[in-house]
Amino acid sequence: DVVMTQSPLSLPVTLGQPASISCRSSQSLVHSDGNTYLNWFQQRPGQSPRLLIYKVSIRDSGVPDKFSGSGSGTDFTLKISNVEAEDVGVYYCMQGTHWGLTFGQGTRLDIK
Amino acid sequence: QVQLVESGGGVVQPGGSLRLSCAASGFPFGDYGMHWVRHSPGKGLEWVAVIWYDGTNERYGDSVKGRFTISRDNSRKTLYLQMDSLRAEDTALYYCARESYSGGFAFDYWGQGTLVSVSS
Repeated sequence: DVVMTQSPLSLPVTLGQPASISCRSSQSLVHSDGNTYLNWFQQRPGQSPRLLIYKVSIRDSGVPDKFSGSGSGTDFTLKISNVEAEDVGVYYCMQGTHWGLTFGQGTRLDIK
Repeated sequence: QVQLVESGGGVVQPGGSLRLSCAASGFPFGDYGMHWVRHSPGKGLEWVAVIWYDGTNERYGDSVKGRFTISRDNSRKTLYLQMDSLRAEDTALYYCARESYSGGFAFDYWGQGTLVSVSS
């Protein structure tokens, strides 16, 4: 299986400051159809996961533009501008290019 | 609105069986691929299984292959997960999730989860 490695695993951020999470895959996530299937999810405390970003950089419906995704091949980044209290939670990357689908270990974001 | 409601979780002994259900509403269930994803205590998310929109194909994660079976009844708008030969490491909160039309297994809706505990 493709191994997804996130860093950092813990991310304390001051309110109003930006945050950045890295996700690296053990194989290229470029699919034979030309797309790169890298997704980002947010899981707030006590809630189910929520889709933020799909295909590296496309925000899901209703996701604020403070969230942005970038990257290519094996190296991807989720950026959050102007962190607010409601952004606290665990963030996961997930690859959908290769069977079996795999998630990163998760990055816990909290307020410093 | 889209709703996914899981049920069927509980406490079971190692080697036992359990059947989870996920009742869908608010969207054309038979048009979407559906997945099970689990979240173990102290661990992250793990993909378990997928079934195609029409039930013609399914795939499993390595840790459950040969023990779990995913199925669906489109007339009842319900997804199932039959779990056999359960092990302690199967203890987790099990979510059903809808696969977005955007491709690449972006799960755009999730249920609230049902808890499975495997313990003697």
